[in-house]
Amino acid sequence: DVKVTQSSRYLVKRTGEKVFLECVQDMDHENMFWYRQDPGLGLRLIYFSYDVKMKEKGDIPEGYSVSREKKERFSLILESASTNQTSMYLCASSPWTDNSPLHFGNGTRLTVT
Amino acid sequence: AQRVTQPEKLLSVFKGAPVELKCNYSYSGSPELFWYVQYSRQRLQLLLRHISRESIKGFTADLNKGETSFHLKKPFAQEEDSAMYYCALLPRGADKLIFGTGTRLQVFP
Repeated sequence: DVKVTQSSRYLVKRTGEKVFLECVQDMDHENMFWYRQDPGLGLRLIYFSYDVKMKEKGDIPEGYSVSREKKERFSLILESASTNQTSMYLCASSPWTDNSPLHFGNGTRLTVT
Repeated sequence: AQRVTQPEKLLSVFKGAPVELKCNYSYSGSPELFWYVQYSRQRLQLLLRHISRESIKGFTADLNKGETSFHLKKPFAQEEDSAMYYCALLPRGADKLIFGTGTRLQVFP
């Protein structure tokens, strides 16, 4: 069974802090994704990656960056956290095949105060 | 523009009642469509996809290209069906899903 693990379930950070959200998958998937989930807005794609050291902007990349130094790990970075980045963050992975379902992590609930 | 619309934020029914969660999409080509579900305190997971034409946990969804819809249906709702449901579109040749805003289903005893 695919496992996508997000390192923190809850995080509380202060405005202006640099925040790292970590995600690890154990199925050698090529694709990895970061979404944020907000009530009434659904899931919005922040960044995704096809392979190591490759990244593509999603729909709402502003204020975020990512890092993929190893195939199994995809990190989301908030360079200077702001209160409007308070949200649930979901990591997902999928293999490089058509119609493959996304496998999601449990999510990280980030609160920026 | 490619878009997925779930018009209902909340759908409340009683146990045993039929359920239909609506999903409409905007896409000119042949779509791949999915339903994802998130139960309380669990991770988001795939429920079903239209190419499989399968029934999962009693749910079915039929692609209607004429109406550009992919509604999720179940004839008799159960309390354990209470969850957040997301419809998602994968445009042909694309590599990222487009999600709707989600519908929360509440099934009362």
